[in-house]
Amino acid sequence: DVKVTQSSRYLVKRTGEKVFLECVQDMDHENMFWYRQDPGLGLRLIYFSYDVKMKEKGDIPEGYSVSREKKERFSLILESASTNQTSMYLCASRSGNQPQHFGDGTRLSIL
Amino acid sequence: SQQGEEDPQALSIQEGENATMNCSYKTSINNLQWYRQNSGRGLVHLILIRSNEREKHSGRLRVTLDTSKKSSSLLITASRAADTASYFCATVPPTGGYQKVTFGTGTKLQVIP
Repeated sequence: DVKVTQSSRYLVKRTGEKVFLECVQDMDHENMFWYRQDPGLGLRLIYFSYDVKMKEKGDIPEGYSVSREKKERFSLILESASTNQTSMYLCASRSGNQPQHFGDGTRLSIL
Repeated sequence: SQQGEEDPQALSIQEGENATMNCSYKTSINNLQWYRQNSGRGLVHLILIRSNEREKHSGRLRVTLDTSKKSSSLLITASRAADTASYFCATVPPTGGYQKVTFGTGTKLQVIP
């Protein structure tokens, strides 16, 4: 079974901090994604990557950056955390047009 | 509005009843996928239906697709309390270039024992 592992289930940070969310997948998928999920808004794509060192902006990239130095790892970076970035963050991976596999999410609170 | 929109937003039924959720979308698709999300967890893929298919079954799940109406429905038969979760549809555009998956806002299903 594909496993997508997010480094933290819960995280509390302060405004202005630089925050790193890590995601690792074990199935050699070329595509990886970061979403945020907020009540009533569903899943919104922040960034995605279709290959090592490649990245593309999603629908809401402002305030975020990403890093993909190795195929199995995709990191989401909040350059200077703000309270409106409090959310549930979901990482996913997939191969080609196949369904996406999700991690269990990181519930991030910015105080 | 989003590509995939589920209807209803919330649904509450008794155990043993059937649950039907609908999804509408706006543009052409390669396939449509349904996912389930238990509270506080990630999404889990349930079933994928391609644009040239009209119906698909998997256990107690039945998915239909009507490309002329740009809509899909997910039917869960003989529901159980363990089916309580949020259900999302997701659309994948036709091949050619990168296929971005677009998720709807979900239907929250509560099955009462």
